[in-house]
Amino acid sequence: QKEVEQDPGPLSVPEGAIVSLNCTYSNSAFQYFMWYRQYSRKGPELLMYTYSSGNKEDGRFTAQVDKSSKYISLFIRDSQPSDSATYLCAMRGTGGFKTIFGAGTRLFVKA
Amino acid sequence: DSGVTQTPKHLITATGQRVTLRCSPRSGDLSVYWYQQSLDQGLQFLIQYYNGEERAKGNILERFSAQQFPDLHSELNLSSLELGDSALYFCASSVRGGGAEDTQYFGPGTRLTVL
Repeated sequence: QKEVEQDPGPLSVPEGAIVSLNCTYSNSAFQYFMWYRQYSRKGPELLMYTYSSGNKEDGRFTAQVDKSSKYISLFIRDSQPSDSATYLCAMRGTGGFKTIFGAGTRLFVKA
Repeated sequence: DSGVTQTPKHLITATGQRVTLRCSPRSGDLSVYWYQQSLDQGLQFLIQYYNGEERAKGNILERFSAQQFPDLHSELNLSSLELGDSALYFCASSVRGGGAEDTQYFGPGTRLTVL
């Protein structure tokens, strides 16, 4: 079993839809949770960063962490065609240096 | 632009050969990470250096090696290349190399094709 599980998709939605992307994990020591966006043939770029449980909002993006369920989510409101990319979740323990990435979910937003 | 540079952008070589990938971290970042990304494996952590010293090792093959130089740039050496080594290789850098709110910034990657 992988430490981080993420549905690879693809996920296809119409423009303006609310998108929900999710990851589950098995290591209860993870404390730092991140979402990266990766456009085709580009390097991943950090979108959101959350410490421990709770919600964090940045514009159209909201990240949620539920440590009791070992489940994290990224919501994208009013999705745009420019949001079409692969979204990778990533997480790390408090004293750890190794960041574990999910496999990534490919998202297509249709105009 | 993340500030992390990687060269070359593309590399085509034959099985059994050896190649070197180069990474320059963002100004001020002390830590460098190497990742391999292939279609069926996702983003796999290979190795991390902090200020010239190896800090963490992931799923790096014995045929692969890396180092970080005094000017903090890093090189990833891949030898005895096999078809399965064809992938995107990303370098990332961060300020502290771990701990609270230490964000990794990724370079544009090197696409390696082994024929």
